[in-house]
Amino acid sequence: QKEVEQNSGPLSVPEGAIASLNCTYSDRGSQSFFWYRQYSGKSPELIMFIYSNGDKEDGRFTAQLNKASQYVSLLIRDSQPSDSATYLCAVNRVEGGADGLTFGKGTHLIIQP
Amino acid sequence: DGGITQSPKYLFRKEGQNVTLSCEQNLNHDAMYWYRQDPGQGLRLIYYSQIVNDFQKGDIAEGYSVSREKKESFPLTVTSAQKNPTAFYLCASSTHTGNYGYTFGSGTRLTVV
Repeated sequence: QKEVEQNSGPLSVPEGAIASLNCTYSDRGSQSFFWYRQYSGKSPELIMFIYSNGDKEDGRFTAQLNKASQYVSLLIRDSQPSDSATYLCAVNRVEGGADGLTFGKGTHLIIQP
Repeated sequence: DGGITQSPKYLFRKEGQNVTLSCEQNLNHDAMYWYRQDPGQGLRLIYYSQIVNDFQKGDIAEGYSVSREKKESFPLTVTSAQKNPTAFYLCASSTHTGNYGYTFGSGTRLTVV
């Protein structure tokens, strides 16, 4: 069974700084990676997905994938208090099919005003 | 607007009682999923369905049942066999490949009283 590991935190970052969230995965065959944001008591919402090695940018968010080292990270630039949430990393249970995602337990991020 | 609707938002179950959680989507997605989330934990897959009239067990299917009679609907029944049902239940949907991530409903919070 695939495993996804995240530091539970809390990770505390000053407002305006860069927040860096990391995730490692167990299956070297994993190809698709997803980052979700979950506010307390709410459902997860998709921030980004990444398939290729390297960086993928979307606004203040950058996802980084390193398949050789089996880690994926999410950078949040110019962090805002509204970015305070739990960030979940996920991989496909089976590549190329809709068989569900395996989630990490999430990193709790706190942006300090 | 397209999305996923879960109902009810809060549900209370007595010991030995079966309860059914509703999930409806109008995204025209082929695949649907049920996840369970416990405090401080990641999401765990209960059941999923890739097409109408077909579904598969996820990682924690014991004590749960589902049906997929319509593309739009994927109800989850929590049976009396589920010994620890108190949790946050999330329904999600995706395209048949799951390549673009999953869209989640707003969740149902189930409590045993």
